[in-house]
Amino acid sequence: AQKVTQAQTEISVVEKEDVTLDCVYETRDTTYYLFWYKQPPSGELVFLIRRNSFDEQNEISGRYSWNFQKSTSSFNFTITASQVVDSAVYFCALNNNAGNMLTFGGGTRLMVKP
Amino acid sequence: DTAVSQTPKYLVTQMGNDKSIKCEQNLGHDTMYWYKQDSKKFLKIMFSYNNKELIINETVPNRFSPKSPDKAHLNLHINSLELGDSAVYFCASSQVLQNTEAFFGQGTRLTVV
Repeated sequence: AQKVTQAQTEISVVEKEDVTLDCVYETRDTTYYLFWYKQPPSGELVFLIRRNSFDEQNEISGRYSWNFQKSTSSFNFTITASQVVDSAVYFCALNNNAGNMLTFGGGTRLMVKP
Repeated sequence: DTAVSQTPKYLVTQMGNDKSIKCEQNLGHDTMYWYKQDSKKFLKIMFSYNNKELIINETVPNRFSPKSPDKAHLNLHINSLELGDSAVYFCASSQVLQNTEAFFGQGTRLTVV
């Protein structure tokens, strides 16, 4: 069975602060994929990143960065210099390639205040 | 050019009715999905479907059934709607063989009264 845990249900920061969203996963598979999605107030789900289990390199995309650590089964997401437009619910997800179905974490609601 | 589109965006209906939500993808993906997001924002897979195989989440009541007229469409039919079916339903698609990310539709907010 797979499981994704996002322990932070809600985070509030002031604009320009850095913020890290935690994600811990459980799987028995050796091959799997991890994802982050953003759900802004408008409701759609926006893909942010995909990482496979064999690639532990950290990734940076603009103000976003991801830290994948297999040893701790974590795939954390950091937003640097947060902006009000970053306010959204962020979901971490996992699949093991069995039909590509995603197991989602419970989401973290990020509120960035001006 | 919307990649994954669902209609309607909002659906309000009475208990006991039967309703359908349509989904179409123009990405050429081989697999489509339905997810349910409840009032607490939890997202759960309902179905995964390609032209060979339907995988059903065992927790989904059999009042819910996916229907795929072709590779680009996966509609969701719901019979005898109940209050607890109120949720946002998301359609998605991906290319399983290449293990691409899933692209989601904009969601359908279903309210059963």
